Amino acid sequence: GENVEQHPSTLSVQEGDSAVIKCTYSDSASNYFPWYKQELGKGPQLIIDIRSNVGEKKDQRIAVTLNKTAKHFSLHITETQPEDSAVYFCAARPYGNNRLAFGKGNQVVVIP
Amino acid sequence: EAQVTQNPRYLITVTGKKLTVTCSQNMNHEYMSWYRQDPGLGLRQIYYSMNVEVTDKGDVPEGYKVSRKEKRNFPLILESPSPNQTSLYFCARRTSGFGAYEQYFGPGTRLTVT
Repeated sequence: GENVEQHPSTLSVQEGDSAVIKCTYSDSASNYFPWYKQELGKGPQLIIDIRSNVGEKKDQRIAVTLNKTAKHFSLHITETQPEDSAVYFCAARPYGNNRLAFGKGNQVVVIP
Repeated sequence: EAQVTQNPRYLITVTGKKLTVTCSQNMNHEYMSWYRQDPGLGLRQIYYSMNVEVTDKGDVPEGYKVSRKEKRNFPLILESPSPNQTSLYFCARRTSGFGAYEQYFGPGTRLTVT
């Protein structure tokens, strides 16, 4: 089955700097890649996603890039703010499969 | 507003005492699922349901049951809870339709089994 790995496990950035989290996946047939943000005491929130027919997608300060050849995709957060501090999960959905395979999560800490 | 609701949000129980965690969605979506979240292990799927009366095992189904008698509800049943089922549980729904992949989670239920 699909195996998704996230790096680094913890990332600390100064407020205003950029943060990048990278995920690798194993199944070349995966065609959907969402990112979730989980704040303390809350459920994971879908913040951005990308499909395999697109290389990059942006939404205000966040963006996701996909490299199908290398089988990795990354979350980019620019101009980080304290409210960006959270655990971020990536996931991949193999084509024809109804289930998402999740990475183990990255803790992002934005230092004021 | 599209919502996934879970009840209870917090539960402390004892080993062997049957419990049910309810999940309800107001979007009439076919696909629902249950996950557990444990430190260092991320989100692992317990069961999922493609539609009413259609359920299937996820990655960690042992010790759990589900039912899907109506589209809006997808309860998670622990017939005989054990301490290793102490975890944070999330219900999720997925948008319907061809090519619809977006999945949305509920607020979570923190379960402690002593």
